[in-house]
Amino acid sequence: QVQMVESGGGVVQPGRSLRLSCAASGFTFSSYGMHWVRQAPGKGLQWVAGLSHDGSNEYYADSVRGRFTISRDNSKHTLYLQMNGLRPEDTALFYCAKDFNPVDTTMLIDYWGQGTLVTVSS
Amino acid sequence: DIQMTQSPSTLSASIGDRVTITCRASQSISTWLAWYQQKPGKAPKLLIYKASSLESGVPSRFSGSGSGTEFTLTITSLQPDDFATYYCQRYNSYSVTFGQGTKVEIK
Repeated sequence: QVQMVESGGGVVQPGRSLRLSCAASGFTFSSYGMHWVRQAPGKGLQWVAGLSHDGSNEYYADSVRGRFTISRDNSKHTLYLQMNGLRPEDTALFYCAKDFNPVDTTMLIDYWGQGTLVTVSS
Repeated sequence: DIQMTQSPSTLSASIGDRVTITCRASQSISTWLAWYQQKPGKAPKLLIYKASSLESGVPSRFSGSGSGTEFTLTITSLQPDDFATYYCQRYNSYSVTFGQGTKVEIK
């Protein structure tokens, strides 16, 4: 079955960096685009970034462009999110998520991990 | 950027009720719209994609309709398992926007 397990969250001071990881299994990871979506405590969903199946195309929300970088290692079935210049408003549960179609990055998400919590506070 | 607005924000309903949630886009998105269900402490679950296509394994009491800028999610006979928060999502032009969510509560 499709499974994504996120890690790397924690408490970090404003302005610092953090790297999230997402270990995927149960599907051909190298064939699917992947995404990060976040949810602030008690709030709604916000898409953060997406990446094509081969890592050649990156997509970002305006709120994180230039600060966050999405990447992947298909040999390790792992997705990453490098977050620099963190702000208190970045505090959220970060979900790793799988794109719906193989090869073509549709931006439609069909499976989600359980999330890793990032707290930005001094 | 395309904005997605859901209504209502909260909905109180009883078991067996027909429930309708509306999602409006700030500009046309054709049928590039999905609906998700999220329960407390859980990840969202895909219900509907391409505005009206039912995801595999989702009960047939869920249906979606609409195109352009106005969309609806309908639950024909509300079941105890359906009390949750529902989000619409537009997915096009290599970008994604979610609606703010509609919480379906027990009346």
